[in-house]
Formats: sequence, C-alpha cells, structure tokens
Amino acid sequence: DIVLTQSPLSLPVTPGEPASISCRSSQSLLYSNGHNYLDWYLQKPGQSPQLLIFLGSNRASGVPDRFSGSGADTDFTLKISRVEAEDVGVYYCIQTLLTPPAFGQGTKVEI
Amino acid sequence: EVQLVESGGGLVQPGGSLRLSCAASGFTFSTYWMYWVRQVPGKGLVWVSRTSPGGSITTYADSVKGRFTISRDNAKSTFYLQMDSLRAEDTALYYCARDLGGSAGFWGRGTTVTVSS
Repeated sequence: DIVLTQSPLSLPVTPGEPASISCRSSQSLLYSNGHNYLDWYLQKPGQSPQLLIFLGSNRASGVPDRFSGSGADTDFTLKISRVEAEDVGVYYCIQTLLTPPAFGQGTKVEI
Repeated sequence: EVQLVESGGGLVQPGGSLRLSCAASGFTFSTYWMYWVRQVPGKGLVWVSRTSPGGSITTYADSVKGRFTISRDNAKSTFYLQMDSLRAEDTALYYCARDLGGSAGFWGRGTTVTVSS
C-alpha cells in the first residue's frame, strides 16, 4: 500500500505570512495520462474536509488563489501565500492512484 | 446546492450491525464514484469503501473486508454501508464523500458509530 508522509505535523503560522506543507509518497503518483493523483483537503474545526487542490496542482472551484499545489511523482507541496485566520485547521493530502486510497497523517495549522 | 446527508449511526454492541445511508442531492448522483471514510475523533482520515457510478465495482479496506458491504440506489440518489460483525475499533465518525481524486470532491457532515457494550 502507498504511504503518505506529511511534514510538519504541526505548523504555527502568522497571519499575512506564507506557509508550506509537504506530502511525500512511498510510490510515484504519476499516471500514464500525465496527471499526479494527489489531492489536498482542509478540515476546519468541527467541519468535514473540503477540497482545496486536485491532481497535484489544480485549485478547486471557489478556493482562494492564495492556495497553490505543486510537485510531481513522490514529492508534493501545498503553499499558502499569505495565511488568513480562516485557514486554521488540519490539512490532509490523499492519493487516489492506487487502491486503497490513502491519506497523510494531517498537518495542524494554527495561529 | 450539493448536499450529502449521512444517517443511521448510533450505539451498537460488539458483533452487532448497522446500516448507514447517504442521501445525495444537487448533482447527478449516478455519474459519480462514492466513498465512505471514517475518522476517530481527534485522529486522521481512513478510507473505508467505494462504489462505482453503476455500483458494479466495489472495494474495501482490508480492515472491513468481509464485514462491510457498500451498495447504492441511483434511483433514490442514495448509497449505503451495511456494517456487520462490528468491533470496538469500528467506532468513528463516518463520512460519505463524492469523487475523491477528482475536481468535484465533496463530503457530508458525518454520522457517528459507537460500538460498545
């Protein structure tokens, strides 16, 4: 099974400052169609997860442009250009290339 | 508006059964893969099962294989998770989700399952 490793697991942030989260996969997430099957979700306190980034680097509908995803193969990064107070919560990466789909451990972002 | 509403959770004794439902609205349910994901409070997300748009393909996490059965009724825009032989370690908040791995990823608010004597 594919294992996703996120770092850091806890990330104190300052509003207005940038933030970055890493997600590393134990196997390549690059499919033959050229897409990397790695998504990013944010679970705000008391809420269900919401999609931020799909296929490695595509922002989901309605997601602010301060969020960006990059990377390929086994190394991926989620960046927040300028953190806002509403960005607190736990960020998860998920791979859906192979069964079983797997989540990273989560990165808790707090002000 | 897209909505996924889970129901059917509750308290059950070890060895017992529960049937979770997820009612979908606001989108063409029959065209999407649908998923169940669970989360122990304060812990991470764990994929449980998924079903293809037509229901012919179903897959399960090893931890639930042989005990849980996923199914769907596209006419009712609803899918289900039949959970048998429940164990204490199945205690969690169960989410239904649409299109994990795609641009339309969306989750319900979850239903709580507690397995305890």
